[in-house]
Amino acid sequence: GENVEQHPSTLSVQEGDSAVIKCTYSDSASNYFPWYKQELGKRPQLIIDIRSNVGEKKDQRIAVTLNKTAKHFSLHITETQPEDSAVYFCAASRSTGFQKLVFGTGTRLLVSP
Amino acid sequence: DTAVSQTPKYLVTQMGNDKSIKCEQNLGHDTMYWYKQDSKKFLKIMFSYNNKELIINETVPNRFSPKSPDKAHLNLHINSLELGDSAVYFCASSPGHLNTEAFFGQGTRLTVV
Repeated sequence: GENVEQHPSTLSVQEGDSAVIKCTYSDSASNYFPWYKQELGKRPQLIIDIRSNVGEKKDQRIAVTLNKTAKHFSLHITETQPEDSAVYFCAASRSTGFQKLVFGTGTRLLVSP
Repeated sequence: DTAVSQTPKYLVTQMGNDKSIKCEQNLGHDTMYWYKQDSKKFLKIMFSYNNKELIINETVPNRFSPKSPDKAHLNLHINSLELGDSAVYFCASSPGHLNTEAFFGQGTRLTVV
């Protein structure tokens, strides 16, 4: 089955710095890669996703890149703000059958003012 | 007007008891899920239903039994609760076809004492 690894487990940055979170997946049939943000005590919410027919996607300060050959995908947050502090999860889902999101282990991002 | 709602939000119970968590979605989605988030924040899929049919059943003890009376509802019943069942349980839903966002409920924090 799919296995998704995520690094780092914690990331501390200063406000205004960039943050990068990396994930690798094992199932070459995976073709959907969403990123979820979970604030303390809240539900996970989608912030950006990428499908395997594109290599990069950007939405304001957030971007995601995908390298299907290497089975890597990454989340980039620029100009970080304290409100970006949360746990971020990557996930992968394969292209056949029913959707099954397999999540990474999460990255706790702390942005200090 | 909550899209995916779970009840109760908090549940404290003694070992050996039986409890249920209810989930409802008003998004018209075909697929619903139960995820377990443990104290380390790992999000693991437990079950998935598509149009009331069980399609994903991960390695979950038989004490856990999901029930979907219709495609808008997916309940989780847990028998003979154990200390290790303490976690946050998230219900989620998605449209049913591949590569789509999953919407999460607010979670149910289950504490077994």
